Amino acid sequence: KNQVEQSPQSLIILEGKNCTLQCNYTVSPFSNLRWYKQDTGRGPVSLTIMTFSENTKSNGRYTATLDADTKQSSLHITASQLSDSASYICVVSGVFSGGYNKLIFGAGTRLAVHP
Amino acid sequence: SQTIHQWPATLVQPVGSPLSLECTVEGTSNPNLYWYRQAAGRGLQLLFYSVGIGQISSEVPQNLSASRPQDRQFILSSKKLLLSDSGFYLCAWSPSRNIQYFGAGTRLSVL
Repeated sequence: KNQVEQSPQSLIILEGKNCTLQCNYTVSPFSNLRWYKQDTGRGPVSLTIMTFSENTKSNGRYTATLDADTKQSSLHITASQLSDSASYICVVSGVFSGGYNKLIFGAGTRLAVHP
Repeated sequence: SQTIHQWPATLVQPVGSPLSLECTVEGTSNPNLYWYRQAAGRGLQLLFYSVGIGQISSEVPQNLSASRPQDRQFILSSKKLLLSDSGFYLCAWSPSRNIQYFGAGTRLSVL
C-alpha cells in the first residue's frame, strides 16, 4: 500500500533552535519527494523537490535529505524563526497506470516556534 | 506569471444544501487541475483531477462531483451536502508532473 508517514506529529521549539522532521514512505514506483509548508488556513507552498538521484536539497534555512534505499527523508530547519510555525507536509510522487503522476501526502508535522 | 484563485475562503452550509466551489487559473493554458480535501489532522486526499476540458477523473467515490467547463476553470459541486463533507478544500494546478501549485483553500462547514 502506498503510504507516507511523518513524525513527529507535532513539535514545539524555541526561536533560534534547529529541528528535524522525518518522513518515511512506501510509495512505489517512486518519482520524486517534496516538502511543503502550509500555514494555518492556507494552501501548501513548495519548499523542496528531490528525485531519487538527489540526496540533499536546500532552500534557505530549510535542508531536505533523501535516502531512496531506506525510503526516508528529513527536513532540517536551521535557526528557527517565529514565521516557521506551520505544518510541514511530505509528499511522495509516483507514476501510476496511464502515466498519471499521483501524489501521496503525509499527514504533516505541526511545528510551533515559541519566543 | 501564473496565479490560482479559489473562492469562497470560508463557507457555512446546512445539511442537504447544494455546493459550488470555483477555482480558476490565470497565466497558463491547458493546466492539469486538481481538487483535494484535507480533514483535520489528516493528509490531503485527492478527490478529482482533470487533464483537459470536460475530462474529469474521480479518485474516491464521493457525494461530490467536478466539472471543467473551460480550460482554466475547475468547479467542485454537490447536490446535497452531508455533515461528513466538512473540511478544507484545496484546488491545485500543475504545469508538469513535477510540481503542483495550490490555491488558498476553502473552509467548508456543514451544519
